[in-house]
Amino acid sequence: EVQLVESGGGLVQPGMSLRLSCAASGFTFEEYAMHWVRQTPGKGLEWVAGISWHSGNIDYADSVRGRFTISRDNAKNSLSLHMGSLRAEDTAFYYCAKDSQVMTTVTFWYLDIWGRGTLVAVSS
Amino acid sequence: EIVLTQSPDTLSLSPGESGALSCRASHSLSTKYLAWYQQKPGQAPRLLIYDASSRAAGIPDRFTGSGSGTDFTLTISRLEPEDFAVYYCQQYVNSPLTFGGGTKVEIK
Repeated sequence: EVQLVESGGGLVQPGMSLRLSCAASGFTFEEYAMHWVRQTPGKGLEWVAGISWHSGNIDYADSVRGRFTISRDNAKNSLSLHMGSLRAEDTAFYYCAKDSQVMTTVTFWYLDIWGRGTLVAVSS
Repeated sequence: EIVLTQSPDTLSLSPGESGALSCRASHSLSTKYLAWYQQKPGQAPRLLIYDASSRAAGIPDRFTGSGSGTDFTLTISRLEPEDFAVYYCQQYVNSPLTFGGGTKVEIK
């Protein structure tokens, strides 16, 4: 069964850091780009960051660029998101999602598998 | 950044009816770089349609995607109780990936 399981969410104070993790199983992780997408409770979806299968192509939403860092460990089938200088507006459910295209060298595509999400709350 | 505008915000329908959800892009998405997702309360989004009109695995044929360029439509025919949810479109013609604001399909 293809599965993505996020962890690492919680309550954190503004200005602090937090690291999210995503454990992948059921597919050849190293062949696919991966993404983080967030959703403020009751609101819409916002793409946060994406990383290609070989980590050579990485991009971020302007809202998090310079504060968040996406990375992956293909040997451990793991995706991470280091979130620094957190703000109240970063409060959201964070989803890990799998890109649909195998070993794409161009851009990112649509997201065919999603995890259940982990909640990050930034508040003093 | 490509902006996606979905309409209406809310669509009120009865089971068995059909409805059309719109997604308009600020720039051309060519013929196909658009996907649709369904999200139910407390759940992650689920891929419904990709490449504008191709159904994802296991998606019933009452879900139909159409359109090209800047105007796309998701049509839901013969609404079933499990179809009442929020629907999002997403473009992937370039990065950053962007989503529309969503259309809620509610029971009339």
